[in-house]
Amino acid sequence: GQQVMQIPQYQHVQEGEDFTTYCNSSTTLSNIQWYKQRPGGHPVFLIQLVKSGEVKKQKRLTFQFGEAKKNSSLHITATQTTDVGTYFCAGPKTTDSWGKLQFGAGTQVVVTP
Amino acid sequence: DVKVTQSSRYLVKRTGEKVFLECVQDMDHENMFWYRQDPGLGLRLIYFSYDVKMKEKGDIPEGYSVSREKKERFSLILESASTNQTSMYLCASSQTSGGEAYGYTFGSGTRLTVV
Repeated sequence: GQQVMQIPQYQHVQEGEDFTTYCNSSTTLSNIQWYKQRPGGHPVFLIQLVKSGEVKKQKRLTFQFGEAKKNSSLHITATQTTDVGTYFCAGPKTTDSWGKLQFGAGTQVVVTP
Repeated sequence: DVKVTQSSRYLVKRTGEKVFLECVQDMDHENMFWYRQDPGLGLRLIYFSYDVKMKEKGDIPEGYSVSREKKERFSLILESASTNQTSMYLCASSQTSGGEAYGYTFGSGTRLTVV
């Protein structure tokens, strides 16, 4: 079945550094979504990418959707302690049109001051 | 501000009890979902509903049932709670248009412990 893989599973970052987390799907996706879950919190929707090669920015966060629509990346510049949390990507399950998403396992980000 | 509200933040139940987890959304969304989240296993879909009285099994429906009598409310039922159902339960809702999924709004979660 469809799989959404995220790497790395864990990311330790020094405050002020940049890092990138990657999301890969076994199938072509109609769109990709990114969520952030703070420690002790619940996932919060960040963004949705729809077009092949699409790039969107939210302040220090840059999201990209691959040309083949099978992969995506999240790049954070000048990491801050507020970036701590787990970042999930998710893509629609291919076999239905009712909005079910397949979530990746997430990248847990720890920021060292 | 749009909201998905889960009735309990923390819950402790005994093995064999029937447990009800309630979720209410105020966004008039068609779709509602129940997930459980466990360390190392990510988010796993238990059940979802795309309309009132309509429901479909997710990836791990065993031991659970659901009810959606009104559009805004989606209940998860543990028929006979077991210790392996100790988990964080997350409710979510979303809208679809033309078959495309829009972003989910999650509730704050219910941390259920079965003893």
